[in-house]
Amino acid sequence: DAGVTQSPTHLIKTRGQQVTLRCSPKSGHDTVSWYQQALGQGPQFIFQYYEEEERQRGNFPDRFSGHQFPNYSSELNVNALLLGDSALYLCASSPGVSLEQYFGPGTRLTVT
Amino acid sequence: QQQVKQSPQSLIVQKGGISIINCAYENTAFDYFPWYQQFPGKGPALLIAIRPDVSEKKEGRFTISFNKSAKQFSLHIMDSQPGDSATYFCAPEGTSGSRLTFGEGTQLTVNP
Repeated sequence: DAGVTQSPTHLIKTRGQQVTLRCSPKSGHDTVSWYQQALGQGPQFIFQYYEEEERQRGNFPDRFSGHQFPNYSSELNVNALLLGDSALYLCASSPGVSLEQYFGPGTRLTVT
Repeated sequence: QQQVKQSPQSLIVQKGGISIINCAYENTAFDYFPWYQQFPGKGPALLIAIRPDVSEKKEGRFTISFNKSAKQFSLHIMDSQPGDSATYFCAPEGTSGSRLTFGEGTQLTVNP
């Protein structure tokens, strides 16, 4: 049974560019959450998707947007990249409103 | 407003010793209290969690102690092993939504 998968593993972008990160949830999970983890810090909640709708959102600007597809996979889009967007982006999935979240390995984004 | 505060930031323990990490929270709406373990280059993995209706939960070498009145909970790792060397995060959550609020993390090093 595959766990949560994310792609790509690493990404280097230039300030001002746009980026799309992808996540496939664990089998049987229909809820996907995205977190940003800066170096040496705890993950910060970006948003959560359930039934293809954004259900919750953290304190992130509108430059961060997302999407969930009918197969429950999800994308995170970041526009107008800033140097401060450099971080590890984590995707977590859970079945419905279960409190247990399972994390993927993350995508390391570097903005130069 | 810092909702979750972890201590210590780093901890060095000898093999076989006891590791204790503490977490203090402010939001009384939290009612699920997990600890996550993260190894370098990996996403966080759920280690153990407790609900507020019990004061202690033990799973193998790992124990959570919960003090609702003090709004604190702690992780105890008995017989610590070098393989336990990782970063540990408390990440309380409210049942109204599956949003984890992570602490800053504790870097544990277990010396052989």
